[in-house]
Amino acid sequence: NAGVTQTPKFRILKIGQSMTLQCAQDMNHNYMYWYRQDPGMGLKLIYYSVGAGITDKGEVPNGYNVSRSTTEDFPLRLELAAPSQTSVYFCASSPRLAGRHEQYFGPGTRLTVT
Amino acid sequence: AQSVTQLGSHVSVSEGALVLLRCNYSSSVPPYLFWYVQYPNQGLQLLLKYTSAATLVKGINGFEAEFKKSETSFHLTKPSAHMSDAAEYFCAVSLLFSGGYQKVTFGTGTKLQVIP
Repeated sequence: NAGVTQTPKFRILKIGQSMTLQCAQDMNHNYMYWYRQDPGMGLKLIYYSVGAGITDKGEVPNGYNVSRSTTEDFPLRLELAAPSQTSVYFCASSPRLAGRHEQYFGPGTRLTVT
Repeated sequence: AQSVTQLGSHVSVSEGALVLLRCNYSSSVPPYLFWYVQYPNQGLQLLLKYTSAATLVKGINGFEAEFKKSETSFHLTKPSAHMSDAAEYFCAVSLLFSGGYQKVTFGTGTKLQVIP
């Protein structure tokens, strides 16, 4: 199993540009999450999904959109990039099993908006 | 509401010394608790988890944590630090909602430095 994969690893965007961060998992997990990590701030939840076709906002959804058309894929879309979106983005997944609440993380995408 | 507080954003220990990373939580119901480790330029990996079974939880790489309800704590320890333990450690609390969604709140992290 590859686990959770994310592309790209690094990206530099100009203000106002758009991009999609890709996330895929091959563990057949129902739940998927997008977080952003800023220095000294821990992880903040952007969006999550409990299954294909079902998504919902987390703590910091403004400026982002998601879709979940399959169990495997959960892309994150930035429509009009702003410097405040400079961060490291992590995708995670977890299984829908009793007692299995741990999350599996991808390697991250480091995004700089200038 | 749930929250996690990690005391000390940076901790330094000598190689071979005891590692103690502190985590306190608040939760309105019995929580699930986790410790994750993040090595430079990598994602988070699960170290150990507490899910209401034994209060002393053993994880990977010789780490363990003890759930103390009276102190609302879940401190992470390792008897003897190794150079490879240098990383950032995150405590997290999870609550399960109806429909299966789990709300996970992460602490702000503690960077562990191991001095040779």
